[in-house]
Amino acid sequence: QVQLQESGPGLVKPSETLSLTCIVSGGSISSYYWSWFRQAPGKGLEWIGYMYHSGNTNYNPSLKSRVTISVDTSKTQFSLKLTSVTTADTAVYYCARDTRAGYCTGGTCYPAGFDIWGQGTMVTVSP
Amino acid sequence: DIQMTQSPSSLSASVGDRVTITCQASQDIRNYLNWYQHKPGKAPRLLIYDAFHLEAGVPSRFGASGSGTNFTFTISSLQPEDFASYYCQLYGNLPPMYTFGQGTKLEIK
Repeated sequence: QVQLQESGPGLVKPSETLSLTCIVSGGSISSYYWSWFRQAPGKGLEWIGYMYHSGNTNYNPSLKSRVTISVDTSKTQFSLKLTSVTTADTAVYYCARDTRAGYCTGGTCYPAGFDIWGQGTMVTVSP
Repeated sequence: DIQMTQSPSSLSASVGDRVTITCQASQDIRNYLNWYQHKPGKAPRLLIYDAFHLEAGVPSRFGASGSGTNFTFTISSLQPEDFASYYCQLYGNLPPMYTFGQGTKLEIK
């Protein structure tokens, strides 16, 4: 059974880079779409971006200039980097997988629903 | 951008009740909608995909319907473990973008 576990610092200073890792156990990372989400205190869920195992990425336009998602197939993990953080980036961060890639158009299939999630990790941005 | 309006934002109900949550899209999204359950400190759980398909392992008391702009999520008979927040989630844009509704917090009456 595939499990995801987020890890990384719980506290980041403003203007610095938030770095998180999602460790994939019980399955291969060399397939599927791998994604990051977050939930700020009192707010709803927000999609950050995804990466296909081949390296193709797509990011939320509101975060695109600050986000990088990368995969390390040798370590079965993928990572999130968010630069120039502010207090608005304080949130619980989740990694997730889309198993089906159920939205297909123009010969390409994209993520549709995210069926496996990590438990989440709280990141606070504070001086 | 397509906007999702989810209602109600909160709901009080009792064990055994039937509850309904709605999501309305600002334009036609066909059946490109999923529903999630989220409990505090837990991973979100995909319950319904493609507007009405029940994810494997999800109890049959959960159901959903709709297409186009109007979608409905229903729990036919609330169980104690169902008290949580529920979110609709849109997909199907190009470039891909995944937007969630504002969420519905389901509380015990």
